[in-house]
Amino acid sequence: QSALTQPASVSGSPGQSITISCTGTSSDLGSSVYVSWYQHHPGKAPKLIIFDVSNRPSGISNRFSGSKSGNTASLTISGLQAEDEGDYFCTSYTTTTTPYVFGTGTKVTVL
Amino acid sequence: DVQLLESGGNLVQPGGSLRLSCAASGFMFSGFAVSWVRQAPGRGLEWVSSISATGSSTYYADSVKGRFTISRDNSQNTLFLQMTSLRAEDTALYYCARDRVSWTFTGALKDWGQGTLVSVSS
Repeated sequence: QSALTQPASVSGSPGQSITISCTGTSSDLGSSVYVSWYQHHPGKAPKLIIFDVSNRPSGISNRFSGSKSGNTASLTISGLQAEDEGDYFCTSYTTTTTPYVFGTGTKVTVL
Repeated sequence: DVQLLESGGNLVQPGGSLRLSCAASGFMFSGFAVSWVRQAPGRGLEWVSSISATGSSTYYADSVKGRFTISRDNSQNTLFLQMTSLRAEDTALYYCARDRVSWTFTGALKDWGQGTLVSVSS
């Protein structure tokens, strides 16, 4: 049950697009259609921004988009804004005895 | 509005026990799977345990299996986490979170509490 691998940090200028990768194995992320992404600001509750690989909950900006290819999922933030700074985590869910695994987390910095 | 309010976090010695609670309101608690997720200082989020809407199915991370027990009281809209044989590495902010869709696990945790802090130290 190892954590999914994410880059420790990603940065970009306002208005740019950035992509965060999330890499697992064929046993977790590779075999899952239930990939989610969360935005987490320190001291606040995590916020679900992507579910089922590429779907956005209501109220989440369309600047956030998700995709998956093989054992790697990706979160793209387009039109980067200062409020997008924070930590981002991916998760993979599978119907096993240990269904959830989180990514290592990525700190996004807006330059 | 959906609210999840964790409580019960405290400073405890290694080997000790603690019971966390999560009081839910603003939705039909008995219809949703709920989970505990923790964040150790300076670390990422780590899934701890999940329980189905009826309580009939429970799941644990390998790191807590045999030491932690998740349960729920749907009549009181409350989720619990009984933690025993606590270790220093269990020190973390513990969040409760509910699934996005009722009556099933979707892998997407839609609503989260603010967390309760557990510190394991002598």
